[in-house]
Amino acid sequence: GENVEQHPSTLSVQEGDSAVIKCTYSDSASNYFPWYKQELGKRPQLIIDIRSNVGEKKDQRIAVTLNKTAKHFSLHITETQPEDSAVYFCAASSNNAGNMLTFGGGTRLMVKP
Amino acid sequence: NAGVMQNPRHLVRRRGQEARLRCSPMKGHSHVYWYRQLPEEGLKFMVYLQKENIIDESGMPKERFSAEFPKEGPSILRIQQVVRGDSAAYFCASSPVGGTEAFFGQGTRLTVV
Repeated sequence: GENVEQHPSTLSVQEGDSAVIKCTYSDSASNYFPWYKQELGKRPQLIIDIRSNVGEKKDQRIAVTLNKTAKHFSLHITETQPEDSAVYFCAASSNNAGNMLTFGGGTRLMVKP
Repeated sequence: NAGVMQNPRHLVRRRGQEARLRCSPMKGHSHVYWYRQLPEEGLKFMVYLQKENIIDESGMPKERFSAEFPKEGPSILRIQQVVRGDSAAYFCASSPVGGTEAFFGQGTRLTVV
């Protein structure tokens, strides 16, 4: 089955700096890679996703890159703000596997004002 | 269009009792996924259902756990004879036919005392 590794587990940045979270996956059949943000005690919220037919996608301060050959994908947050503080999860799924998500272990991002 | 609705939000059960968790998917969504999140950990896939069918239950423990998604009404995750290790947040997600984006409910936080 799919295995998703996520690094780092914790990340502390100064407000205004950039944050990068990296994930690797094992199943070459995976073709959909979403990122979720989860605040304490709340639901995971989809913030951006990328499919395997593109290498990069951007939405305002958030971007995701995908390297299919290396089975890597990354989340980039620029101009971080204190409200970006949360736990971020990457995930992978494939149509062949019924679109069930396999999640990484999460990254706790702390943005210091 | 209401989001994914889960109830109850919080559930306390004594060891040996039964827990029933309910999930109503978003309108128009016919795919339901259940995930479990232990404290300070990521989300783990449990079961994938469509109306009246269990598609994949590879992540669900073989004993004490069962799930259904009847033709009418919400999806139910049932845990019999709960143990302390069942304490976790249980999240339901739904997606439309042919879609890959999964939207999560607020979760049910089960505490076994």
